[in-house]
Amino acid sequence: GESVGLHLPTLSVQEGDNSIINCAYSNSASDYFIWYKQESGKGPQFIIDIRSNMDKRQGQRVTVLLNKTVKHLSLQIAATQPGDSAVYFCAEYDYKLSFGAGTTVTVRA
Amino acid sequence: KAGVTQTPRYLIKTRGQQVTLSCSPISGHRSVSWYQQTPGQGLQFLFEYFSETQRNKGNFPGRFSGRQFSNSRSEMNVSTLELGDSALYLCASAPDTGELFFGEGSRLTVL
Repeated sequence: GESVGLHLPTLSVQEGDNSIINCAYSNSASDYFIWYKQESGKGPQFIIDIRSNMDKRQGQRVTVLLNKTVKHLSLQIAATQPGDSAVYFCAEYDYKLSFGAGTTVTVRA
Repeated sequence: KAGVTQTPRYLIKTRGQQVTLSCSPISGHRSVSWYQQTPGQGLQFLFEYFSETQRNKGNFPGRFSGRQFSNSRSEMNVSTLELGDSALYLCASAPDTGELFFGEGSRLTVL
């Protein structure tokens, strides 16, 4: 079965607000995690990754937090824009990607 | 730099038929992986090829097969199609391991 899961299937956020998407994993030996964004009709697009020797990593408007104690990671999107509307997946990588079920983010104008 | 190209983008088949999907990776990438995406099962790993050899395999029946050519292009084949094979088939390439770059997928409908 899947080792990676997301807490909520949907998230509605007001434009300009910050978004937080959560993900739990079960394999304590996992050491590489990736967040993907998938827009309608497209393939998953890499957003940001983090290795287990880090707690936090920042990109452009995005931050990933990793809590190894509770096996939880989150994706924070600052100042959410309409173009951020998509399905977001967390994935664990060893020799393959194991994806969570995805969270659909809808940005309200 | 061109991205991952998958063909065809859409196709319709009937039960019992077979289908071949093609993937051209990003230039210089030697690893090609295939994933199946369905509403019920989400994204699931099919197999990975590296330098013309299958390096890893997921939990799919033998009806699902693939190959990789010397130019790193890859094909996957599904024989004796079933209704449940209807899905978006995604190809991803990587230089070796690590960050995968996905194509836009081939959407297969089995009637």
